[in-house]
Amino acid sequence: DQQVKQNSPSLSVQEGRISILNCDYTNSMFDYFLWYKKYPAEGPTFLISISSIKDKNEDGRFTVFLNKSAKHLSLHIVPSQPGDSAVYFCSQGAQKLVFGQGTRLTINP
Amino acid sequence: DARVTQTPRHKVTEMGQEVTMRCQPILGHNTVFWYRQTMMQGLELLAYFRNRAPLDDSGMPKDRFSAEMPDATLATLKIQPSEPRDSAVYFCASGLGTGGLETQYFGPGTRLLVL
Repeated sequence: DQQVKQNSPSLSVQEGRISILNCDYTNSMFDYFLWYKKYPAEGPTFLISISSIKDKNEDGRFTVFLNKSAKHLSLHIVPSQPGDSAVYFCSQGAQKLVFGQGTRLTINP
Repeated sequence: DARVTQTPRHKVTEMGQEVTMRCQPILGHNTVFWYRQTMMQGLELLAYFRNRAPLDDSGMPKDRFSAEMPDATLATLKIQPSEPRDSAVYFCASGLGTGGLETQYFGPGTRLLVL
């Protein structure tokens, strides 16, 4: 059974500080992990991905870390900006994706 | 600026009525996905197509839901009869499937309310 879990429904961070969003998964068979970002009244947009053969992928202010032994990944945003306020979904797969429940990130000025 | 379009954006209907949602994938994309977002379940995959052929519809209630791709530029999701528990936001996404990692591009969604 493939499950992806984001145990924190919400997170509040001060502007300029680091935001850390967490995600756990149950099945190690799938090759990729992806983060999507969603603003209200819009569809999710792709943010960053990581292959299961890596443990880190960085793109500008966004870095994803993968800990395969713990079946855990995290998204780091530094520095956090007000425009980063959105719902973030963690997902696993390559074509067919399984998504977590999402974490609502709020960046406070 | 290539985008996935979905119509209607909002739909309010009464229980028992038929609902049809439409999606126009990005031109040239060969994979189309249908997702449903609810507060309880988050984003769940209902069905997906590659080159217009259904690959997986295991997430879809078969008795009332149906998904089709009449042509490469149109995907439809139909609910008949609709029930209050179908109230959700339905997203369509498209991608260019090459066998490896496939970035999915989402439409703005159809917000459905069944009374």
